[in-house]
Amino acid sequence: DIPLTQSPSSLSASVGDRVTITCRASQSVSNYLNWYQHKPGKAPTLLIYAASSLQTGVPPRFSGSGSGTDFTLTISSLQPEDFATYYCQQTYSSSWTFGQGTNVDIK
Amino acid sequence: QITLKESGPALVKPAQTLTLTCNFSGFSLSTTGVGVGWIRQPPGKALEWLAVIYWDEGKRYSPFLKSRLTITKDTPKDQVVLTMTNMDPVDTATYYCVHVKSLYYDLMTAYYNVCVDFWGQGTLVTVSS
Repeated sequence: DIPLTQSPSSLSASVGDRVTITCRASQSVSNYLNWYQHKPGKAPTLLIYAASSLQTGVPPRFSGSGSGTDFTLTISSLQPEDFATYYCQQTYSSSWTFGQGTNVDIK
Repeated sequence: QITLKESGPALVKPAQTLTLTCNFSGFSLSTTGVGVGWIRQPPGKALEWLAVIYWDEGKRYSPFLKSRLTITKDTPKDQVVLTMTNMDPVDTATYYCVHVKSLYYDLMTAYYNVCVDFWGQGTLVTVSS
């Protein structure tokens, strides 16, 4: 099992802000790291796969970076529809794990 | 267009066995690189991966729940079934069926790098007497 630690656990931001969420793995997961957005009452959606590849249809204000143990999800200019919880996930080990989530709400 | 839909009981009693069915369309589980998995989210908590089954019959389970889980597929019916034995109130959660996409085969690790690119709507299962 490879635990993932996200920081911060929650943040308050305004529309237009640049937001950065980090995900740290307890051991290297190479680039086997994905990011998801989850809104209440809806199914999660894939934002970034393989650490830095943007999923089709996801706005380019979302970006991912990192490799090994340290990863970042950045929203360059926060929009009203971006208020949600964000999760990282590793699929490097045969036992997948998720981070504990980062809740982004309105300041 | 890929869609997945979960079905099963909304309420189960402690110690009972939960059986969830995922009916999907828009892909085949006989296609190389494809998998179907299950992920759950207890109320107010984080996502938790449970199990995945691949086109080649390969199966993976959460090590914490492995003794209680069984995942099977019926390829002609486009269906995947998850059973979880000995249900407990802590298993109360929304259970999601998901499509797993293989991104590429990594020659260095001999693994497929994968992601979850489609999710079902989820089904809430409550465990209570």
